[in-house]
Amino acid sequence: EAQVTQNPRYLITVTGKKLTVTCSQNMNHEYMSWYRQDPGLGLRQIYYSMNVEVTDKGDVPEGYKVSRKEKRNFPLILESPSPNQTSLYFCASSSLQGGNEQFFGPGTRLTVL
Amino acid sequence: GQSLEQPSEVTAVEGAIVQINCTYQTSGFYGLSWYQQHDGGAPTFLSYNALDGLEETGRFSSFLSRSDSYGYLLLQELQMKDSASYFCAVNTGTASKLTFGTGTRLQVTL
Repeated sequence: EAQVTQNPRYLITVTGKKLTVTCSQNMNHEYMSWYRQDPGLGLRQIYYSMNVEVTDKGDVPEGYKVSRKEKRNFPLILESPSPNQTSLYFCASSSLQGGNEQFFGPGTRLTVL
Repeated sequence: GQSLEQPSEVTAVEGAIVQINCTYQTSGFYGLSWYQQHDGGAPTFLSYNALDGLEETGRFSSFLSRSDSYGYLLLQELQMKDSASYFCAVNTGTASKLTFGTGTRLQVTL
């Protein structure tokens, strides 16, 4: 089944404790992105990647890091999480040939205390 | 900067037609997408317009006017399952560079 998976789905952590949210897609897509969704603010792009080793900042990159060492994986790293990073996070992927349809993962709900 | 405006809420009755508008101001423009998101779920793709005009997919249609920086999503023969949030999004670079609007919550009533 073609899908984007994220882990963990739910995470409660404390300020300053480094964490990684994994994202993996099995569709051989070139493009991958991370978004955060907050009430009243819609989805905001954090980082995106056009292919292996090619990443760029989205609209809200501060406090986040990403890497794209393999085509299928695009982890999101919070080196020192803060409460204002409490949010719902979505990973998405899309294909160079697939028009502009982005396929979203199920989401990761992160709470930083 | 980038900004997309769409109404925050719309209510319509089952079987009716509803139009959700989106106006945008972005530093680049390659196309306008629409996504649907049910409560607790992930966004799912509905449509994409790169050129002016109307694109139809079943009960859903999407329109774009690049000269007016404006688009809309038209939902016909509304069903209860169409109750969801709808987001417009502008491609400002590659297919991966997307800026979303804040979403329109559609409530379909009997």
